[in-house]
Amino acid sequence: DSGVTQTPKHLITATGQRVTLRCSPRSGDLSVYWYQQSLDQGLQFLIQYYNGEERAKGNILERFSAQQFPDLHSELNLSSLELGDSALYFCASSVDLRASEAFFGQGTRLTVV
Amino acid sequence: GDSVTQMEGPVTLSEEAFLTINCTYTATGYPSLFWYVQYPGEGLQLLLKATKADDKGSNKGFEATYRKETTSFHLEKGSVQVSDSAVYFCALSARAGTASKLTFGTGTRLQVTL
Repeated sequence: DSGVTQTPKHLITATGQRVTLRCSPRSGDLSVYWYQQSLDQGLQFLIQYYNGEERAKGNILERFSAQQFPDLHSELNLSSLELGDSALYFCASSVDLRASEAFFGQGTRLTVV
Repeated sequence: GDSVTQMEGPVTLSEEAFLTINCTYTATGYPSLFWYVQYPGEGLQLLLKATKADDKGSNKGFEATYRKETTSFHLEKGSVQVSDSAVYFCALSARAGTASKLTFGTGTRLQVTL
């Protein structure tokens, strides 16, 4: 157990809908990272927050947004969902800004039908 | 931009066989290099890392050497076990604004049979 908690574990929704994925980082970690793992794109970095502020942005679509709350948990919002958004979404956390020191959650599997 | 290329899978080996998973990278500057492992139903776990040229990372019998001249970081293990069956990702870490980000390869699935 990495200490990073993601909910829900599985999500099935229809095209055009909006969903929210939640991540609770390890105790004491200030950075949260979101990654998308899909069959065609592999594992891609989406966005990083540190202590409530956005610090790095990757290949995140405009339909997607994220935030980190004062209690340091983070949410990834996906809207106007398309079939191609079906993927495993990972959250990771680290105590500082170094992505290489992050621990990963078990992921949320999103299926868009 | 930065990129990581690793060999296609799946790789199927018998227990106690020698493992090599190739990984090459393209990056500006001097990235750190990593191997992550993903067991079924779990998130990624850091397996080993190397932060500068000629460094060797090792863990649980796995090894990889940072080769700047060939821009490679191949993963090796002398004798694999069934419990090593997983997906292995090569990755590099580079600066992204004021933070760092990881760029991953596509992953190589390893299946070890008795």
